[in-house]
Amino acid sequence: GQGVEQPDNLMSVEGTFARVNCTYSTSGFNGLSWYQQREGHAPVFLSYVVLDGLKDSGHFSTFLSRSNGYSYLLLTELQIKDSASYLCAVRAYQGGRALIFGTGTTVSVSP
Amino acid sequence: GALVYQYPRRTICKSGTSMRMECQAVGFQATSVAWYRQSPQKTFELIALSTVNSAIKYEQNFTQEKFPISHPNLSFSSMTVLNAYLEDRGLYLCGASDWGSSAETLYFGSGTRLTVL
Repeated sequence: GQGVEQPDNLMSVEGTFARVNCTYSTSGFNGLSWYQQREGHAPVFLSYVVLDGLKDSGHFSTFLSRSNGYSYLLLTELQIKDSASYLCAVRAYQGGRALIFGTGTTVSVSP
Repeated sequence: GALVYQYPRRTICKSGTSMRMECQAVGFQATSVAWYRQSPQKTFELIALSTVNSAIKYEQNFTQEKFPISHPNLSFSSMTVLNAYLEDRGLYLCGASDWGSSAETLYFGSGTRLTVL
């Protein structure tokens, strides 16, 4: 079957980094997106990747390996306000353009 | 900027009754609208994908008879939960995308939290 898997939780310290992993298994692949969701709020788009390699967007970077069905979101120079849930979403071929979401990784940044 | 207004934010309904939620896109054209349900355990389930002037595609375990969706134009979509029961509770989210500009970005509404008594 199809699925997107993420660890439930990740704890880190202010000023350091956090790497949020995502593995997926889908029938076809047409891109992977990362969203940030704060408690009680809607997900907010962060990044989209479709080619292998590292994409640097400043405060965060995203990596993709299509052959391994793997991606990560790297948050650097963490701030307390980066504490949130980070969702990985994959668009698979199935005649449509809907995203398949993982359950999200809750990142907790402590002082 | 692109925004999606979703309402109501919260709703409580009695078991067996129905409730409707709406999403309004502002600042972009909502070519497609995906409706999701996020369970209390944070699981994201895709209910259906609606594309203007095209058939609505429902995922397995979700039907038009239970979750009828309307997407009449490029700025509005609604979904109704018919005969709601306990298992229907959760946070319902609409995510819209503009195929003409940034098809890979989903703009989400703030969600409708459904409680069923």
